[in-house]
Amino acid sequence: NAGVTQTPKFRILKIGQSMTLQCAQDMNHNYMYWYRQDPGMGLKLIYYSVGAGITDKGEVPNGYNVSRSTTEDFPLRLELAAPSQTSVYFCASSPHTAGQGSHEQYFGPGTRLTVT
Amino acid sequence: GQQLNQSPQSMFIQEGEDVSMNCTSSSIFNTWLWYKQDPGEGPVLLIALYKAGELTSNGRLTAQFGITRKDSFLNISASIPSDVGIYFCAGLFGNEKLTFGTGTRLTIIP
Repeated sequence: NAGVTQTPKFRILKIGQSMTLQCAQDMNHNYMYWYRQDPGMGLKLIYYSVGAGITDKGEVPNGYNVSRSTTEDFPLRLELAAPSQTSVYFCASSPHTAGQGSHEQYFGPGTRLTVT
Repeated sequence: GQQLNQSPQSMFIQEGEDVSMNCTSSSIFNTWLWYKQDPGEGPVLLIALYKAGELTSNGRLTAQFGITRKDSFLNISASIPSDVGIYFCAGLFGNEKLTFGTGTRLTIIP
């Protein structure tokens, strides 16, 4: 299993540009998450999904959109990039089925985004 | 939202020393997770705890689920250079979303 994969690894955007951060998992996990991590800080939840076709806002959703058309993929869209969105973005997945171990989240390697 | 206070924020130790860090919450959790993040990488799950009072080991790492359900502790014995990184705690209670601590940065002094 590749686990959770993210593309691209790095990206520089100009203010106002749009882009989609890709995330895929091959573990057949129901739950998927997007976090951002600012320098020296912890992880803040942007959006999450409990299954295909279902998404919900996290702590910091403004400026982002998501979709979940398949179990495997959970892309994050930035429509009008702003300097405040400069961050490292992590995607994670979790099996979230009944039983112990179901809430453990597994992370991808991250996408480093700079908006200038 | 919920806040997890993690301490210390940073640690500077010598190789071979033992390390202790903790995480406290104003709310109770029913799951505690400990992650390690290497520079430029995503967090990697180290230990998961599911019951108050539970003590779980993973090699040189030992973590405990506090009896009050509002805290958790991580110990690393006989530290080695590859232990360098940022350690995050995360807690979960009854919903889909983890709350993450602010991290403890571990540095080993040569």
